[in-house]
Amino acid sequence: ELKVEQNPLFLSMQEGKNYTIYCNYSTTSDRLYWYRQDPGKSLESLFVLLSNGAVKQEGRLMASLDTKARLSTLHITAAVHDLSATYFCAVDIRANKETSGSRLTFGEGTQLTVNP
Amino acid sequence: DSGVTQTPKHLITATGQRVTLRCSPRSGDLSVYWYQQSLDQGLQFLIQYYNGEERAKGNILERFSAQQFPDLHSELNLSSLELGDSALYFCASSPRTLTFNRNEQFFGPGTRLTVL
Repeated sequence: ELKVEQNPLFLSMQEGKNYTIYCNYSTTSDRLYWYRQDPGKSLESLFVLLSNGAVKQEGRLMASLDTKARLSTLHITAAVHDLSATYFCAVDIRANKETSGSRLTFGEGTQLTVNP
Repeated sequence: DSGVTQTPKHLITATGQRVTLRCSPRSGDLSVYWYQQSLDQGLQFLIQYYNGEERAKGNILERFSAQQFPDLHSELNLSSLELGDSALYFCASSPRTLTFNRNEQFFGPGTRLTVL
């Protein structure tokens, strides 16, 4: 069974600082997604990583994927308060070969708080 | 706004009752997914439909069922409700694909179900 683990689960940081969230997964996959969720809200797609070595950047966030290590990272540069949210990584696996069904398996989420 | 709509936003009901959650995917998307988010279980995949056919099944209870209609909207039916079914239920949709490809999923705003 696929397991997706994030760490840390809770992250409190000061504005202007840098930090990295790690996402490890247990089964071979080259499709990994990062989502953001604000309290009580939906999941917003941040990054789609589709191959080994993929790196995507948007503003102060940068995501990367190492499929050999089964590891993805979400790096935060010079954090600002608006980045406070819960961040999820999710791995996409073929759930049913016969029907091309798929499913996202999510990590536990990293609750990020950026303090002034 | 992802373009995925869900109704109702909130639902409060009693144990033993039955409810129906509705989802309309983004225009043109053929795949619909249902996920459950609770504090103790996190985000869990329930089921996927593609163009009216079930494609993948996750940890969906026998008391739960879903279907996708010819106009592509989907309904998730929850019956014999228990306290533990209280959760946020998300629907997601992804672009037309018959192969296991990019498969980015866009999430709706969710339905918050409270079972008393």
